[in-house]
Amino acid sequence: QVQLVESGGGLVKPGESLRLSCAASGFSFSYYSMNWIRQAPGKGLEWVAHITASGYDRYYADSVKGRFTISRDNAKNSLFLQVNTLRADDTAVYYCARDHLEGDVVTGALDCWGQGTLVAVSS
Amino acid sequence: DIQMTQSPSSLSASVGDRVTITCRASQNIDNYLSWYQQKPGRAPKLLIFAASNLQSGVPSRFSGSGSGTDFTLTISSLQPEDFASYYCQQSYSTPNNFGQGTRLEIK
Repeated sequence: QVQLVESGGGLVKPGESLRLSCAASGFSFSYYSMNWIRQAPGKGLEWVAHITASGYDRYYADSVKGRFTISRDNAKNSLFLQVNTLRADDTAVYYCARDHLEGDVVTGALDCWGQGTLVAVSS
Repeated sequence: DIQMTQSPSSLSASVGDRVTITCRASQNIDNYLSWYQQKPGRAPKLLIFAASNLQSGVPSRFSGSGSGTDFTLTISSLQPEDFASYYCQQSYSTPNNFGQGTRLEIK
């Protein structure tokens, strides 16, 4: 079945870096655009980044632009988020999520989510 | 950036009630609007895409409507498993912002 599994989270100090991974299975990963979304403890959802199926186009939230980099390896069915210069307000559960396709049409919705990986930034 | 405003922020209702949650965009987003349900400790689940299309496997008591700037999510007859948080999201332009969420609680 369709599955996304995140990993790479942990407890880090301000200014440090992490590389989050998302392993995809059960679908043709290279056909789908992918996203990272985060949720701070007790707060709402925040869209973080988007990458097209080819990896050619990438988009970021202003709050992470210049510090985070989204990438993918279609040969390994994997999505990544390099998070640098971490701050306390980056503390959140980070989800990877797949763009929804209705036939061949991208609807803009997110139809498959991983279970999330927790990034905690504290001195 | 397009801002998404949900109302109410929280809502108490009873099993069997009809419930409506609204989402307003700060500018026109056509029908690029999705609704998600999230239960504590779980990932969000897609309910509605393109404003009014029911995602496969989602019960028909959920429905969505609207276009342009004003949208609604309606649950026709609340079931115990529907008590959760609900979020709208626009995908008209990046950043694909979410609304702040609506927490639906048991009365």
